[in-house]
Amino acid sequence: EAGVAQSPRYKIIEKRQSVAFWCNPISGHATLYWYQQILGQGPKLLIQFQNNGVVDDSQLPKDRFSAERLKGVDSTLKIQPAKLEDSAVYLCASSSRDRRLARRTDTQYFGPGTRLTVL
Amino acid sequence: GDSVTQMEGPVTLSEEAFLTINCTYTATGYPSLFWYVQYPGEGLQLLLKATKADDKGSNKGFEATYRKETTSFHLEKGSVQVSDSAVYFCALSGVFGNEKLTFGTGTRLTIIP
Repeated sequence: EAGVAQSPRYKIIEKRQSVAFWCNPISGHATLYWYQQILGQGPKLLIQFQNNGVVDDSQLPKDRFSAERLKGVDSTLKIQPAKLEDSAVYLCASSSRDRRLARRTDTQYFGPGTRLTVL
Repeated sequence: GDSVTQMEGPVTLSEEAFLTINCTYTATGYPSLFWYVQYPGEGLQLLLKATKADDKGSNKGFEATYRKETTSFHLEKGSVQVSDSAVYFCALSGVFGNEKLTFGTGTRLTIIP
């Protein structure tokens, strides 16, 4: 089974430029997440999709960040314009909800991440 | 809100030593608890998980027990190897409708031969 794919793996831009990241989740996974991991910290959720709908975007800086998952499969995360503090690794994860269980026990599978450096 | 407090690092041990990495959490309801590991140059991988009180998760010789009374999920291994050198993250997630993972800050573990 193929894992979560992300591209690019590395990106260097100057502040105020725009950048976009792409994620292809594991086939059949309905839930997709974008996390931001700043150096020395744990990942922080930016946005969660269930199929092509947004479940949680409360931590997404909406003045500069946007994300979409138009066909319920691939997703794109965009930053426009970038700031120095956006330098981080952007992680995509996916999971499949097991509806047979009363409580959620989904495992989130992570991609390799995109390391963004803003100069 | 939910939070995870993890043992500060870095941690350096000799091969075959006993490992404990402490993790405590604050959450409403009954979260699921996870340990993720990040090996050098690789992405986050699930190491083990527990979904209810007194459950024990185990994998690759690592164990952690979900202790609701102490809100803890400490990671242990009886005899570490050089290949266990990595960053370890404790995390929790809620029930349906709140599946996001809340992570600790991570503990860097280095094993010396």
